[in-house]
Amino acid sequence: GAVVSQHPSRVICKSGTSVKIECRSLDFQATTMFWYRQFPKQSLMLMATSNEGSKATYEQGVEKDKFLINHASLTLSTLTVTSAHPEDSSFYICSAISAAARGGYEQYFGPGTRLTVT
Amino acid sequence: DAKTTQPPSMDCAEGRAANLPCNHSTISGNEYVYWYRQIHSQGPQYIIHGLKNNETNEMASLIITEDRKSSTLILPHATLRDTAVYYCIVSGYNFNKFYFGSGTKLNVKP
Repeated sequence: GAVVSQHPSRVICKSGTSVKIECRSLDFQATTMFWYRQFPKQSLMLMATSNEGSKATYEQGVEKDKFLINHASLTLSTLTVTSAHPEDSSFYICSAISAAARGGYEQYFGPGTRLTVT
Repeated sequence: DAKTTQPPSMDCAEGRAANLPCNHSTISGNEYVYWYRQIHSQGPQYIIHGLKNNETNEMASLIITEDRKSSTLILPHATLRDTAVYYCIVSGYNFNKFYFGSGTKLNVKP
């Protein structure tokens, strides 16, 4: 199956700094990628849809100025958490879409990035 | 919002079949049923998806009822490594967004 990578896998930063997380589709091109966050013992929550060459679309309640998304190429999307605070500490997961041979699309997920803000 | 309902947890004996139910009574005609699983602190792993016919692959089988309002994921011979949270997701043909529900925590016991 298709492979999606994320970098870094873990990051610790100080409150007030910004952190960039990269999401790459390694063996396929993805015009659409998604970003999720997951708090401990909770399910994944969709944050935004990242579209190559255009602005990201954010889910209701997600601050677009705080979570900057750039999808500059067909294999790379980045999420920047600006002016991070301890409440932004979470597990961030990206995914990318690949068409399925039998119809529909398969969404492949990255391994996640654990962000801790101190 | 998630359009599926799953039991919060299930137990299964190692080597036995695990049958995980999912209710999606408001599914529309062009929406697929997807199943993923998430092992602790990892990204979700694709298992299987279907529209209306039953599907089988090397990991699992997917049984969708004729009215498409519910489905069952079958792991034919569960192993300890199948212990995970299993998510059933309904999503449209045009790679619509995934809204995850709470999923089912499957505990495979020796």
